[in-house]
Parts: sequence; C-alpha cells; structure tokens
Amino acid sequence: KQEVTQIPAALSVPEGENLVLNCSFTDSAIYNLQWFRQDPGKGLTSLLLIQSSQREQTSGRLNASLDKSSGRSTLYIAASQPGDSATYLCAVWSNDYKLSFGAGTTVTVRA
Amino acid sequence: KAGVTQTPRYLIKTRGQQVTLSCSPISGHRSVSWYQQTPGQGLQFLFEYFSETQRNKGNFPGRFSGRQFSNSRSEMNVSTLELGDSALYLCASSSGALSGNTIYFGEGSWLTVV
Repeated sequence: KQEVTQIPAALSVPEGENLVLNCSFTDSAIYNLQWFRQDPGKGLTSLLLIQSSQREQTSGRLNASLDKSSGRSTLYIAASQPGDSATYLCAVWSNDYKLSFGAGTTVTVRA
Repeated sequence: KAGVTQTPRYLIKTRGQQVTLSCSPISGHRSVSWYQQTPGQGLQFLFEYFSETQRNKGNFPGRFSGRQFSNSRSEMNVSTLELGDSALYLCASSSGALSGNTIYFGEGSWLTVV
C-alpha cells in the first residue's frame, strides 16, 4: 500500500524567503505526482503535475522535482509572499490505479 | 470556462439517513472522481468514473456509491449515515485518464452528521 508523507507538517517563514516542501512515497511504481494548494475551507488547486518519466516541472515561482527511485519530490517556492500562505498537498498515482495523498504542509508567510 | 461545480455546499443530516451529492465537471471532461477529507484521515480517494463506468475504487464500505450520467455529471450517495461520515466531500474532473492528467477540484460539499 502506497504511503505518502509530507514533512514538515507546518512551516512559518518571513516574506521573501524561499520555501522548500518535501513529499516522500514508499512505492516507486507511480504514474505521476501532483502538487496542490488548499486554502482554508476550499477545494484543491492544482499547481504542478510531474509525470513519472520527468525529473522536474516549473511554473513561475514554483519548481517541483521528482526522484522516483528514492521516492521523493520537492516543491520549491521562490521569494515567498503572504498570498502563498496555504496548505500544500502532494498526491501520487500508483501503478495499481490508486491515488494517495499526503497530509499536507501548512505554510504561513509572515509580512 | 466554468470550473467544477458541487451542490449542495453545506448540509446537515441525521444518523441513519442517506445523502446524495452532485458534481458537474468542467465542460469536455469525462473523468470524475470523488474524495473524502477529514481532519483525522486527511484526503482519501473514494472512486473514479469515466464515461459512465466506475474505473477505480478506494477502500470505503459499500454504503458509499456513485454514478455518472451521459453528460458526465456525477452523483455520490452515502446510505445509513454515521457520525464518522461528517467530512468535506470533494469532486474533481479530468480531461482523460485520471492517472495521466491534471485534476481540477470543486469547492466541496460540507456534510455534518448529527
């Protein structure tokens, strides 16, 4: 059974600092990994999708890397802003067609 | 382009009742999936429908069921509600196979069972 872990559970940084969020998974047989953002009481917003054959994806200030063999992905957010405050979740599609989510990292960016 | 729409947004039910939640996917999307989110268990996959067929199912009891209509709209039903079913239920849509495409989520339906 795929287990997805996100560390740390919470993170507080001053505005302008770079953010590094980690996601690890136990079974490397995956189709893809997706990073989401969730604001309180809201649904999830897709940030980046990395296919299993890719090593990284970039969108604006966001960069996500994937090391399938070691079961790790990292989401980098450059020059953080107060508007980046949210919970960030990673989700892994395993080869047995199961979608597993991490518990999320709650980020607070202090102005 | 309208996003994923879920109705109702909030509802309160009594133990033992049943509930039906509705989801309208993004126009042109044929895959609809459902998720349960609780503080204790986090976000868990319920099931996925593609072209009216259930393609995949998570580890939930048979009280949780769903269906998809020819216009890709989907409904989720929970029978014999239990207090532990109180959660945010999220629906998501995708243009093709859920495993290979970006997933777009709705705002969710907040269910409280009393």
